[in-house]
Amino acid sequence: GEDVEQSLFLSVREGDSSVINCTYTDSSSTYLYWYKQEPGAGLQLLTYIFSNMDMKQDQRLTVLLNKKDKHLSLRIADTQTGDSAIYFCAESPGGYQKVTFGTGTKLQVIP
Amino acid sequence: GAVVSQHPSRVICKSGTSVKIECRSLDFQATTMFWYRQFPKQSLMLMATSNEGSKATYEQGVEKDKFLINHASLTLSTLTVTSAHPEDSSFYICSARDFAASEAPLHFGNGTRLTVT
Repeated sequence: GEDVEQSLFLSVREGDSSVINCTYTDSSSTYLYWYKQEPGAGLQLLTYIFSNMDMKQDQRLTVLLNKKDKHLSLRIADTQTGDSAIYFCAESPGGYQKVTFGTGTKLQVIP
Repeated sequence: GAVVSQHPSRVICKSGTSVKIECRSLDFQATTMFWYRQFPKQSLMLMATSNEGSKATYEQGVEKDKFLINHASLTLSTLTVTSAHPEDSSFYICSARDFAASEAPLHFGNGTRLTVT
């Protein structure tokens, strides 16, 4: 079945860049997502990329996709304390198909 | 952007009672909604796919008689936890996709923290 993996924890200093990595196994993945979850809250969609794209940039966020290696990354430039949260990578074949989530990476930003 | 509203945000109930959680798509129609469960410090586990006007599709290992799902309209799905027990205590999150949009990411509600005493 589908499998999505992430490292569990990342700590960075305020102002530095954060890079959160994700690997997936499903070669039919069409949509790849990044979600942010703050304590006690639901998931906030940050950005997403289609499998026919290599990169997508949205303000401080840059998503890189290496489809050959099935590797996805999220780079947060100028990381702020408000970016501290759990970040989930997710993939879906698209359409009505279900979305599979990674284990989540807890980002800690040190002031 | 697409907004999914989930209520209540927090509920405490006694063991043996039933609890209903509502999930609404506020500015789009959702023929399909998804219900997830999240245990502390864990990822999201898909429980079931809710289809408007038809029966829900449950994931393996999820008891359909315990977690009743009703998707009566294009903007509302409900999850009822029947005869709740302490092990049902968890964070339940619904999500929906605006299939009318050419790009249709999944949008989530803010979740419901269920505590069964």
